Amino acid sequence: DQQVKQNSPSLSVQEGRISILNCDYTNSMFDYFLWYKKYPAEGPTFLISISSIKDKNEDGRFTVFLNKSAKHLSLHIVPSQPGDSAVYFCAAILNNAGNMLTFGGGTRLMVKP
Amino acid sequence: NAGVMQNPRHLVRRRGQEARLRCSPMKGHSHVYWYRQLPEEGLKFMVYLQKENIIDESGMPKERFSAEFPKEGPSILRIQQVVRGDSAAYFCASSPEGNYGYTFGSGTRLTVV
Repeated sequence: DQQVKQNSPSLSVQEGRISILNCDYTNSMFDYFLWYKKYPAEGPTFLISISSIKDKNEDGRFTVFLNKSAKHLSLHIVPSQPGDSAVYFCAAILNNAGNMLTFGGGTRLMVKP
Repeated sequence: NAGVMQNPRHLVRRRGQEARLRCSPMKGHSHVYWYRQLPEEGLKFMVYLQKENIIDESGMPKERFSAEFPKEGPSILRIQQVVRGDSAAYFCASSPEGNYGYTFGSGTRLTVV
């Protein structure tokens, strides 16, 4: 039973345009969400996070939106750059369940020059 | 301040052998987590440890797998009698106490032949 889903395995975007990566979850007890970026042969690196009490968090070119009623979050990257090409994972933390992360399956983003 | 150090980076084992994966957390981090990424899948939580304590091992297979985080030295993930299905990338992460700020290591890629 996958509680966090990323339904698009891959996404291709032109440099300079917006990249939108989507993530859906089923457990309404998740109260904190994170996005990680992963290059081949490296560990995931933290990108941006959002608490369930907010609906938007912005950091430079990266913005995360949370729609609690739809149990949906998205990561916007604008403008996209070739160096953004990587696999992006969304992850969620369950309220009062320690620090365990539940990951989605990832979306491979390719930004074409 | 070195990041999370995992070794070895690559490990090849024959079926039936033992695999030992090591993880040294970041300085000052007292929480260690192990995740496994099977080919073409997202990361799956295995175990969460603090020094000399297993806090949550709900994601770890009951047989053949064990983990420890001794008072001195790195955290060890041990897989006995490895099978082909154990082939995966194993990632360790660490965080300060009570903090969602995970830092991941670069992973150990285990190949069982």
